[in-house]
Amino acid sequence: GQQVMQIPQYQHVQEGEDFTTYCNSSTTLSNIQWYKQRPGGHPVFLIQLVKSGEVKKQKRLTFQFGEAKKNSSLHITATQTTDVGTYFCAGRARGGSNYKLTFGKGTLLTVNP
Amino acid sequence: NAGVMQNPRHLVRRRGQEARLRCSPMKGHSHVYWYRQLPEEGLKFMVYLQKENIIDESGMPKERFSAEFPKEGPSILRIQQVVRGDSAAYFCASSPAGEINQPQHFGDGTRLSIL
Repeated sequence: GQQVMQIPQYQHVQEGEDFTTYCNSSTTLSNIQWYKQRPGGHPVFLIQLVKSGEVKKQKRLTFQFGEAKKNSSLHITATQTTDVGTYFCAGRARGGSNYKLTFGKGTLLTVNP
Repeated sequence: NAGVMQNPRHLVRRRGQEARLRCSPMKGHSHVYWYRQLPEEGLKFMVYLQKENIIDESGMPKERFSAEFPKEGPSILRIQQVVRGDSAAYFCASSPAGEINQPQHFGDGTRLSIL
């Protein structure tokens, strides 16, 4: 079945440093979504990427979708303590049912003030 | 504009008991998804339901687990004869009907602990 891998599993940075998490799918995706989960909280939708090579920005967050639609990345510029949490990517397989999301294991980001 | 409501937030059961987890989707949403999350793991899809229909239960164990989404009332995830390995956070998410590629809105989850 479809697998979604995320690296790194953990990342600890100093406040102000940049952070990137990478997501790779074993199959071509129709779209990919990113979620953030604070410790003890629930996943919160951040963004969805649909087009090959798409890049979207939300303030200090930049999301990319690979040309082959099999990988994606999330980059945070100048991290802040409020960025702490686990970032998950979730992909929908191309040609599959339009509802089923396969989540990566997430990257836990901690920020040292 | 209430979000996805899950209860209870925490549930403690002894081995062999039954656990019932409830989920009320966001207003206007008729698609419900259940996920299980183990510590330091991603979310594992369990089941997808629409009102009165199970659309996909491929991620749900064949035994002891069942789910329903009746015409009236919340969706229920039921675990019979719980075992220690059932301890996890169970999240429910909902999305609008007829909308493809929509984000899923998650509830706060139910943390299930088995003694």
